[in-house]
Amino acid sequence: NAGVMQNPRHLVRRRGQEARLRCSPMKGHSHVYWYRQLPEEGLKFMVYLQKENIIDESGMPKERFSAEFPKEGPSILRIQQVVRGDSAAYFCASSPGQIKTGEKLFFGSGTQLSVL
Amino acid sequence: RKEVEQDPGPFNVPEGATVAFNCTYSNSASQSFFWYRQDCRKEPKLLMSVYSSGNEDGRFTAQLNRASQYISLLIRDSKLSDSATYLCVVSRDNDMRFGAGTRLTVKP
Repeated sequence: NAGVMQNPRHLVRRRGQEARLRCSPMKGHSHVYWYRQLPEEGLKFMVYLQKENIIDESGMPKERFSAEFPKEGPSILRIQQVVRGDSAAYFCASSPGQIKTGEKLFFGSGTQLSVL
Repeated sequence: RKEVEQDPGPFNVPEGATVAFNCTYSNSASQSFFWYRQDCRKEPKLLMSVYSSGNEDGRFTAQLNRASQYISLLIRDSKLSDSATYLCVVSRDNDMRFGAGTRLTVKP
């Protein structure tokens, strides 16, 4: 049973380019969460999705960032017109149910985004 | 004020030592509590859930005090492999809120 799969592991972009980060949840998990971690800081919640629905995007910057979790395929975190401040580790996590019912999160290995 | 606060450390302890980490949270509506471990540049991994009655898993003991909004983690007989950053995690509604972590280094 494969764990949460994220790719690419490392992504380098120049300022102004687009970054697309992919996350395939664990088999049987329909809840996906994206977190961002800056160096020496904790994880910051960005967005929570279920299949085809964004449930909570309160942690997502209003501009340039978007996320989706289509019926088929992985969840995608998309960052348009990247800036140096977007450089961070982006972690995806999945769970079989809602966190508020006590479910635990399982994390992918993360994507390290570097903006030159 | 941060929603989840931890002493960042670092804690440098010799092998075999007992070390305790503390964490406070600000939202009294928080529902579930966890300790995660994160090794350098890797993904967080669940260490243990935290219950009001306190729970123990081998050398690790976690305590929750809802009245004080305080969570603790005790590690006994520290091993070199315990060196990592320990993240206090509080869940509410649809997401988990992570503390910035406490860094532990266990030395020979």
